[in-house]
Amino acid sequence: GNSVTQMEGPVTLSEEAFLTINCTYTATGYPSLFWYVQYPGEGLQLLLKATKADDKGSNKGFEATYRKETTSFHLEKGSVQVSDSAVYFCALSEGGSYIPTFGRGTSLIVHP
Amino acid sequence: DTEVTQTPKHLVMGMTNKKSLKCEQHMGHRAMYWYKQKAKKPPELMFVYSYEKLSINESVPSRFSPECPNSSLLNLHLHALQPEDSALYLCASSRGQDTGELFFGEGSRLTVL
Repeated sequence: GNSVTQMEGPVTLSEEAFLTINCTYTATGYPSLFWYVQYPGEGLQLLLKATKADDKGSNKGFEATYRKETTSFHLEKGSVQVSDSAVYFCALSEGGSYIPTFGRGTSLIVHP
Repeated sequence: DTEVTQTPKHLVMGMTNKKSLKCEQHMGHRAMYWYKQKAKKPPELMFVYSYEKLSINESVPSRFSPECPNSSLLNLHLHALQPEDSALYLCASSRGQDTGELFFGEGSRLTVL
């Protein structure tokens, strides 16, 4: 079956530091990949997505590239802000069901 | 601002109460979802409605009863809940059931005493 593996958090950074949150996946076919973000006290929001190999999704300074050869979709940001503190979920969706499979989530804490 | 609206934001109920959670979207989406989320965990799928018909029920106990009165509304009726049902209940919608791109509401925080 499909699965998503994310690095365990929390990830703690100082403001303006570089961020990487690792995500790898297992799928039977050619999934679409997503990063969702959940700010404290809120629901999940789609942050970015990629639908095929080598696609790069980007939004709000965050980027992730769909790497089929390494089955990865790592999230990066060059300079984090305190307001980026949240839980980040990697997810995949594949034909047939299309219901997203979520990773465990990675908490990011950014200090001033 | 989220385009999926959930009410109430907070709900406290006893184990013998009957209450309902409500969800509304006006994006013309034809699939709607209920998820349950415990602290520090990913959301767990409970139900999916596609074109107002229940298409997925993830073996949820019968004390949770979903209802989709029309394409914009989704309810979750609660009865005889247990304290372990305390969680954040998230509603989501999508253009159809053929995409993993979901739009979530802010959730209803449920506490069962």
